[in-house]
Amino acid sequence: QSVLTQPPSVSGAPGRRVTISCTGTGSNIGAGYDVHWYQQLPGTAPKLLIYGNNNRPSGVPDRFSGSKSGTSASLAITGLQAEDEADYYCQSYDTGLSGSLFGGGTKLTVL
Amino acid sequence: QVQLQESGPGLVKPSETLSLTCTVSGASIRSYYWSWVRQPAGKGLEWIGRIYGSGITKDNPSFKSRVTMSVDTSKNLFSLKLNSLTAADTAVYYCARDHSGYDAWGQGILVTVSS
Repeated sequence: QSVLTQPPSVSGAPGRRVTISCTGTGSNIGAGYDVHWYQQLPGTAPKLLIYGNNNRPSGVPDRFSGSKSGTSASLAITGLQAEDEADYYCQSYDTGLSGSLFGGGTKLTVL
Repeated sequence: QVQLQESGPGLVKPSETLSLTCTVSGASIRSYYWSWVRQPAGKGLEWIGRIYGSGITKDNPSFKSRVTMSVDTSKNLFSLKLNSLTAADTAVYYCARDHSGYDAWGQGILVTVSS
């Protein structure tokens, strides 16, 4: 069971906005560690979408944004497109693990 | 552009040891942290461990010391060994560069543990 908790699924109509939450604890997000987000299209490797809580790698559209507050983080996607349909994972560092921790993943369905 | 490529067997018997290699191009292996991540079919991502270019390692305690990692700077690659395999270790195994998040990934290799 992941210590970083994400909703199993979210959905939205094309053009709309959706958010995906990632809830941690005081030993990871709450301890001040950065949160990173990944997009995984079916049958492919994950791709870094947001790093350092709210930064986009080159080539990632500005429709994707991240935020962090306290023991939680969120990924927001605006102007939903069919190609955004994928699994999304948050990731942070955990002091108990002394290593990396992933959320359980959220499946985004574009209606 | 950094590229990573996993290699190794696709089928391993229970109780045996899995050996995977990740060959890196476009970046010096000496200068970064490198990780292994796995994903059972239909499930989420699980961090296995990471190694720095100097050879310092840290693995996930949930693997109960079954993990060994090494780096070969002459060939610019790093390796994973996972012993005492069971069916629960069947997964796609990815290698990735750990640099402000996992910013580069291999394509993944499916490993099936079965007799």
